[in-house]
Amino acid sequence: AQTVTQSQPEMSVQEAETVTLSCTYDTSENNYYLFWYKQPPSRQMILVIRQEAYKQQNATENRFSVNFQKAAKSFSLKISDSQLGDTAMYFCAFMNSGYSTLTFGKGTMLLVSP
Amino acid sequence: DAGVTQSPTHLIKTRGQHVTLRCSPISGHKSVSWYQQVLGQGPQFIFQYYEKEERGRGNFPDRFSARQFPNYSSELNVNALLLGDSALYLCASSLAPFRTGSNQPQHFGDGTRLSIL
Repeated sequence: AQTVTQSQPEMSVQEAETVTLSCTYDTSENNYYLFWYKQPPSRQMILVIRQEAYKQQNATENRFSVNFQKAAKSFSLKISDSQLGDTAMYFCAFMNSGYSTLTFGKGTMLLVSP
Repeated sequence: DAGVTQSPTHLIKTRGQHVTLRCSPISGHKSVSWYQQVLGQGPQFIFQYYEKEERGRGNFPDRFSARQFPNYSSELNVNALLLGDSALYLCASSLAPFRTGSNQPQHFGDGTRLSIL
């Protein structure tokens, strides 16, 4: 079974600064997908960024980028130029290519302050 | 276009009762998955349906069941409710499961918050 570990329960950052959220996972599979989802308070889960394990190039979506280290089974999320609207719970998630269900970590609460 | 819609938004039940939660996927999406999110935890997979058939089941007791209708909407049923069933129940839809070879992410609804007294 796959496991996803987010070791930072809470993180704080000031507006315009850069913050990195950590995620490690455990799997014996070679083909899989990794995701970061954002869940603002009392609002729906939103896909932030995704990475296919077979791609060596790190995914980037505007201010969001990942550092995917396949050998280390590490998948961190970097948020540049943090904005107040980035305040949310961030979940790292794993999906095996042979299935289509997500395994989530426990989440990291990110607070962006003025 | 409307996103994934779930009803009801909130629900309060007592132990031993039965509950039905509903989900309408994004138009054109044929796959629906259900997740349980206990307070302070990440979501846990319960069921996945694709083309009206169960394609996956998580580690949940038989008190949990689900089905998908011809219009691809879905219901999650929970019998004999326990206090531990109190959670946010999330529905997610996608065009098709990854298993079919297409890289289709899951889109989530706002969830149904179920409280058991």
